[in-house]
Amino acid sequence: GQQVMQIPQYQHVQEGEDFTTYCNSSTTLSNIQWYKQRPGGHPVFLIQLVKSGEVKKQKRLTFQFGEAKKNSSLHITATQTTDVGTYFCAGPTVAGAGSYQLTFGKGTKLSVIP
Amino acid sequence: GAGVSQSPSNKVTEKGKDVELRCDPISGHTALYWYRQSLGQGLEFLIYFQGNSAPDKSGLPSDRFSAERTGGSVSTLTIQRTQQEDSAVYLCASSLVRDSNYEQYFGPGTRLTVT
Repeated sequence: GQQVMQIPQYQHVQEGEDFTTYCNSSTTLSNIQWYKQRPGGHPVFLIQLVKSGEVKKQKRLTFQFGEAKKNSSLHITATQTTDVGTYFCAGPTVAGAGSYQLTFGKGTKLSVIP
Repeated sequence: GAGVSQSPSNKVTEKGKDVELRCDPISGHTALYWYRQSLGQGLEFLIYFQGNSAPDKSGLPSDRFSAERTGGSVSTLTIQRTQQEDSAVYLCASSLVRDSNYEQYFGPGTRLTVT
């Protein structure tokens, strides 16, 4: 079945260091979404990428969609303690026409050491 | 505007009892999803509604789990004869399906503890 894999599972960084999480799909994706879940909170939508090779930035966060539309990355520059949480990528589930489900990766849990 | 709401926020129940979890999606969102998240784990898909129908029930762990959605709005997830392994946070999300945009908006979840 369709799989969305994320690495690493955990990442501990010193405050101010950069952080990158990678997402790989077993199938070509029409789009990819990223979510952030703070400790004790619920997932919150961050961004959606649609085009091959697309790069989008949100302040210190840079999102990239691979040329083959099977992989994506999230890079955070100069991490802050507010970046702590689990970052999930998600791609449309391969299903019948009119399906609007997402297959989520297992997430990368980011810890920032002050 | 109002987001996705879920009730109760916490539920403690004895093993063998039935529980009902409620989700109120964002008004106008046609798609509704239920997930389960165990402590420190990822999102386990349970069921998806498009309108009042559930095209995909494949994620329901057993026949003790059922869900319904009425009026294209509120959804209820029912767990019968609860077991300790059912303890988890149950998250609901809704989505306004529009072209290729169907980002999901999550509720705060219901934390279920089965003793």
